Amino acid sequence: NAGVTQTPKFQVLKTGQSMTLQCAQDMNHNSMYWYRQDPGMGLRLIYYSASEGTTDKGEVPNGYNVSRLNKREFSLRLESAAPSQTSVYFCASSEVWEGTEAFFGQGTRLTVV
Amino acid sequence: EDKVVQSPLSLVVHEGDTVTLNCSYEVTNFRSLLWYKQEKKAPTFLFMLTSSGIEKKSGRLSSILDKKELFSILNITATQTGDSAIYLCAVGIGGAQKLVFGQGTRLTINP
Repeated sequence: NAGVTQTPKFQVLKTGQSMTLQCAQDMNHNSMYWYRQDPGMGLRLIYYSASEGTTDKGEVPNGYNVSRLNKREFSLRLESAAPSQTSVYFCASSEVWEGTEAFFGQGTRLTVV
Repeated sequence: EDKVVQSPLSLVVHEGDTVTLNCSYEVTNFRSLLWYKQEKKAPTFLFMLTSSGIEKKSGRLSSILDKKELFSILNITATQTGDSAIYLCAVGIGGAQKLVFGQGTRLTINP
């Protein structure tokens, strides 16, 4: 039962470096999401993809780009990392129109120094 | 703008107390409301509500949705230290097919 697989689990970047967070789901969901979670706070939506081939901005998209490579995979890219992007990142998938729960990856703890 | 607001943001109670957590929403196309519990890692699913007035129950936890007044509550009775966590509310939005979370309520249960 893989569910949502997210890599890496931990990453330290220097300011200005770039990296891509990978996410894959095996539940045949149309919708996929990237969230960030800062200490003691809820999940803020960075970008989402309602279906293969579409992506949309969430509430905090600045500094990030995404790619919905196919129905299974949704990646998040930081082109030039900044200390303000230090956070825990979660990928999730669901089928909103069917009213299903969202399934989460295990999270990526990213530190930008 | 789609908005989900939880209250209180933080709550500290003694073991055995009953707590009520609140979630209100203003969204363009409501599809579902979900409650999650988060301890140290990824959120774990508790309930999904789509219809008003129908209580969902699991052990000491229960939840109900009011679609007219646009809110949901999560009740936990006879709290235990293991209930200490962040409780997250999310709303599934049709049309856009997105899931928007509130800020979370940090619940601390003291022995």
